[in-house]
Amino acid sequence: QSALTQPASVSGSPGQSITISCTGPSSDVGGYNYVSWYQQHPGKAPKLMIYDVTNRPSGVSNRFSGSKSGNTASLTISGLQAEDEAEYYCSSYTSTSVVFGGGTKLTVL
Amino acid sequence: EVQLVESGGGLVQPGGSLRLSCAVSGFTFSSFAMSWVRQVPGKGLEWVSSIRGSGDHTYFADSVKGRFTISRDNSKNMLYLQMNSLRAEDTAVYYCAKDLGLLLYYFDFWGQGTLVTVSS
Repeated sequence: QSALTQPASVSGSPGQSITISCTGPSSDVGGYNYVSWYQQHPGKAPKLMIYDVTNRPSGVSNRFSGSKSGNTASLTISGLQAEDEAEYYCSSYTSTSVVFGGGTKLTVL
Repeated sequence: EVQLVESGGGLVQPGGSLRLSCAVSGFTFSSFAMSWVRQVPGKGLEWVSSIRGSGDHTYFADSVKGRFTISRDNSKNMLYLQMNSLRAEDTAVYYCAKDLGLLLYYFDFWGQGTLVTVSS
């Protein structure tokens, strides 16, 4: 199963909004509304930020939001803060398992 | 408080075996699917294997199918990954992760990871 496609890096200034895209074939991202997003700081375990395309787990800031259109899912972070600087991974259910994106490094300028 | 603590990683020669363990606390272990996800240092995440709460159904990535076995002991709140015929490309940090439900492939709690290095 090939990894989902994410941009290698994105950046933004504090207070701004950024969007990270995640593209896959119709057999995963395009075929199911089972997309999730994870945040990973260096040396730490990933943290679930979004599931079912748009849902936030308890405790996750409402500055994080998800969406999907066709074969592309997106994570938007509004009101960027320094602590948002991290690696972000999307994932999608496939017919038999789960596949992750290659990761996007978010730099807060 | 939910806690997942992996152990068992280390250096092993190609073709060797290793068993990873994950001690779990803070939730009703048998009610949730559990998974192993690995990450080559500096690289992305790769799903490895999952097991349903009852332990009766298991799932594997093609890259490890036939070499790895996942199991759980619900009486001890323990998750295991038996890794045989290890290859250099299995070198990674291995995380155990709790599923959000029965088997949704959403991982809401993770351990700190244990490093497996396959090298001669």
